[in-house]
Amino acid sequence: NAGVTQTPKFQVLKTGQSMTLQCAQDMNHEYMSWYRQDPGMGLRLIHYSVGAGITDQGEVPNGYNVSRSTTEDFPLRLLSAAPSQTSVYFCASRQLRNTEAFFGQGTRLTVV
Amino acid sequence: DAKTTQPPSMDCAEGRAANLPCNHSTISGNEYVYWYRQIHSQGPQYIIHGLKNNETNEMASLIITEDRKSSTLILPHATLRDTAVYYCIVRGNSGGSNYKLTFGKGTLLTVNP
Repeated sequence: NAGVTQTPKFQVLKTGQSMTLQCAQDMNHEYMSWYRQDPGMGLRLIHYSVGAGITDQGEVPNGYNVSRSTTEDFPLRLLSAAPSQTSVYFCASRQLRNTEAFFGQGTRLTVV
Repeated sequence: DAKTTQPPSMDCAEGRAANLPCNHSTISGNEYVYWYRQIHSQGPQYIIHGLKNNETNEMASLIITEDRKSSTLILPHATLRDTAVYYCIVRGNSGGSNYKLTFGKGTLLTVNP
């Protein structure tokens, strides 16, 4: 049981480049979400999904796109990276009812 | 979702109980109290959650006051590996708020040898 898998673990981008952060879970969880964490701060919600084909914005969605074509995968796309998007990104999943969320180990992104 | 207030930092001696407080005075009747922790550079890890009764699992105990306006997470025998940021989160179970975990800045617990 792999849990929540994020790839890549580290990435350096140039300003204006695009990329996709991958997140996959093998627990058949309906709910998946993306957070970013900046130094000295808590996690802030970017986007979330309650099932395949359904996504919604969180607290800080600007500059990010998501899609949910399958239950297992929830990629996060940066269309034109900016230095302000330098952060650590965490993906999480859980069942919809009140249960624990499982987090990936994070992707550390630097935009130069 | 109800807002939570936690002290920014706490210290605890190794082997002693760590008691981490959380105030959530605006909690509503259908909101649960969740605790997560984040060890440096890792993804957050679920610890425990409860609605109104005290809860215990292999990691910790959760004590919720009768009026539900505050709670305490108890690590009975803290070890150096328990050094982490601990987040207290209140989450509803109706409508859109059911889906979101809103993290504050948490409490940095440092366990000292």
